[in-house]
Amino acid sequence: GQQLNQSPQSMFIQEGEDVSMNCTSSSIFNTWLWYKQDPGEGPVLLIALYKAGELTSNGRLTAQFGITRKDSFLNISASIPSDVGIYFCAGRNSGNTPLVFGKGTRLSVIA
Amino acid sequence: DTAVSQTPKYLVTQMGNDKSIKCEQNLGHDTMYWYKQDSKKFLKIMFSYNNKELIINETVPNRFSPKSPDKAHLNLHINSLELGDSAVYFCASSQNWGVTEAFFGQGTRLTVV
Repeated sequence: GQQLNQSPQSMFIQEGEDVSMNCTSSSIFNTWLWYKQDPGEGPVLLIALYKAGELTSNGRLTAQFGITRKDSFLNISASIPSDVGIYFCAGRNSGNTPLVFGKGTRLSVIA
Repeated sequence: DTAVSQTPKYLVTQMGNDKSIKCEQNLGHDTMYWYKQDSKKFLKIMFSYNNKELIINETVPNRFSPKSPDKAHLNLHINSLELGDSAVYFCASSQNWGVTEAFFGQGTRLTVV
């Protein structure tokens, strides 16, 4: 089946630093999504990307749909303590296939 | 108002028992899903339903039987629970099968002892 490789697995950063994480796929995707999961909660959608090369922002978050359609990255600028959580990339390559998730990046922010 | 709600949030039960998890969405969506999140936080699709019809069954053991009485509800029944079934189960919904953005419930943490 399709696989998504998400990196890094975990990150420890100082408050105020910028963060970057990425996701690569073994196959082409038509849609990339980024989710955040807080402890004890379900994943919450942050950003959705639909076109190769697309760059989309949501506050301090910016995500890009890679030109090859096999990768995506998420940047968080000026991190704050509430950014702590697990970030998941997810992708879909056609209307007949389900959403596939990466294994997550666990972000810890040190105040 | 909670968009996708699951009950119960926690479920502890013995091996061999049968249990159900209920899910309801008030978003007016046509498509609903069940995902399983293991101890390493890996999220894997189990079932997809569109307009009460099963679309995807991702090689889930037939001890797991989803039921969708209407578009707003997708329940998950599990027979003969095993230790390996312990996980967090998430219900999700999307506007329709062609729309990718899925909205998740809070999850049900199932522990089989």
